[in-house]
Amino acid sequence: NAGVTQTPKFRILKIGQSMTLQCAQDMNHNYMYWYRQDPGMGLKLIYYSVGAGITDKGEVPNGYNVSRSTTEDFPLRLELAAPSQTSVYFCASSTGTLYEQYFGPGTRLTVT
Amino acid sequence: AQTVTQSQPEMSVQEAETVTLSCTYDTSESDYYLFWYKQPPSRQMILVIRQEAYKQQNATENRFSVNFQKAAKSFSLKISDSQLGDAAMYFCAYRRGKGAQKLVFGQGTRLTINP
Repeated sequence: NAGVTQTPKFRILKIGQSMTLQCAQDMNHNYMYWYRQDPGMGLKLIYYSVGAGITDKGEVPNGYNVSRSTTEDFPLRLELAAPSQTSVYFCASSTGTLYEQYFGPGTRLTVT
Repeated sequence: AQTVTQSQPEMSVQEAETVTLSCTYDTSESDYYLFWYKQPPSRQMILVIRQEAYKQQNATENRFSVNFQKAAKSFSLKISDSQLGDAAMYFCAYRRGKGAQKLVFGQGTRLTINP
C-alpha cells in the first residue's frame, strides 16, 4: 500500500513551458486535492475532485487545470508556466469530507 | 472568509520539556473541524490531531493534546515530553463542516527541539 504518490519530486521549468504533475493513490479514496505551498506559508487549495469525472476549483485555480478520469489518478496541468507558480505542490486524498486527508510527499517546482 | 493565524513563527523547547503552540481562527460557522499537521524536513504532511467543534472534550493523542476554546476561537497544541523527532513545522488548519472541501491553513510554527 503506497498511499499517495507524486511524480516528479523536483522540476525546473522555463517561463512559458507546460507540464503535468502526476498524483496517484491506491486507497480507493473518492476525494482528491491539489495544494500549493509557497515559502514560509501554509497550503492553499488549487483544485479538488469528489470522484472520477468531477472536479472543482479551490482557492487559487488560475493557471492550472485538472482532470479525473479514474479514481486512482488526479493529474495537475500547468499551462504557460510563470515564476509565480514556483512552489511546492502537494496532492492529497480522503475517504470523505469527515475524514483525514492523506498527503503525498510533494513536488518542488521552480519556474525561471 | 475563514482565516487561521499562528502568531509564533518559531518556537524552541528543551528535550523532555513541554511546549504549547498557539492558533486562533476566525469563522461565523458553528460546525467545523480543526487540525494540527506536522511537516518534518521530508515535507510530508502528517496529521497530528483533530478536533470537532461540537465536542467539548479536548482531543488527545499520546503526547499531543489540544486546548480548544470555542468562544475565544483558540486552538493550541501542547506537546509533552518533547522528543527530537518532534522537530518540524506545525500547521493549524480549519475546515468548515457539512461537506466542505477546503482546508484553510495557518502560516506555520517552526519547532526546534534542543537536546
